[in-house]
Amino acid sequence: EPEVTQTPSHQVTQMGQEVILRCVPISNHLYFYWYRQILGQKVEFLVSFYNNEISEKSEIFDDQFSVERPDGSNFTLKIRSTKLEDSAMYFCASSEVAGSWRDEQFFGPGTRLTVL
Amino acid sequence: EDKVVQSPLSLVVHEGDTVTLNCSYEVTNFRSLLWYKQEKKAPTFLFMLTSSGIEKKSGRLSSILDKKELFSILNITATQTGDSAIYLCAPRNQGAQKLVFGQGTRLTINP
Repeated sequence: EPEVTQTPSHQVTQMGQEVILRCVPISNHLYFYWYRQILGQKVEFLVSFYNNEISEKSEIFDDQFSVERPDGSNFTLKIRSTKLEDSAMYFCASSEVAGSWRDEQFFGPGTRLTVL
Repeated sequence: EDKVVQSPLSLVVHEGDTVTLNCSYEVTNFRSLLWYKQEKKAPTFLFMLTSSGIEKKSGRLSSILDKKELFSILNITATQTGDSAIYLCAPRNQGAQKLVFGQGTRLTINP
């Protein structure tokens, strides 16, 4: 069964460093998302992406964050200068369509980001 | 601001019991509500509900939506230890892609 994959599973970085989290969405999906979950807290939406553009973003997704689809399969989240409070589990998700009865989102296994 | 409240926050039952998990929501221009199961890591999709009163079933799990009273329930019958997980509900607005997650119900099934 097709699934969303993410790499790495765990990333440790120093405060102020740039990190890139990678995702491979399900192949026929057109909509891609990033969510994060700080330990013990809710899953929070960061950004959605369609047709090579950001279609929706949350207040969390400030100038330190960017997303890219560098090729036909990968979808990346870059954090330019990490802060301690960026430590969280980051989930990538994808959906076949949006705004219809087929728009359930499927999540990857997550990347745990630890900022020291 | 969109609001999602799940109850109970935590539930411990014995294998074989039936459980009912609750999700109440306040979102503008509601479109659908999704239920997910989160074990160690990623939320896995269970149900998507768009219409009131129509029960969705998958094995021992079922769910229903009440758009008038703004809530949904997830039922699990004949629970097994493998049902132990955090169950998340997430409503969604018309015209928005984001899911707004509740804080989840942590369900523990003891043998």
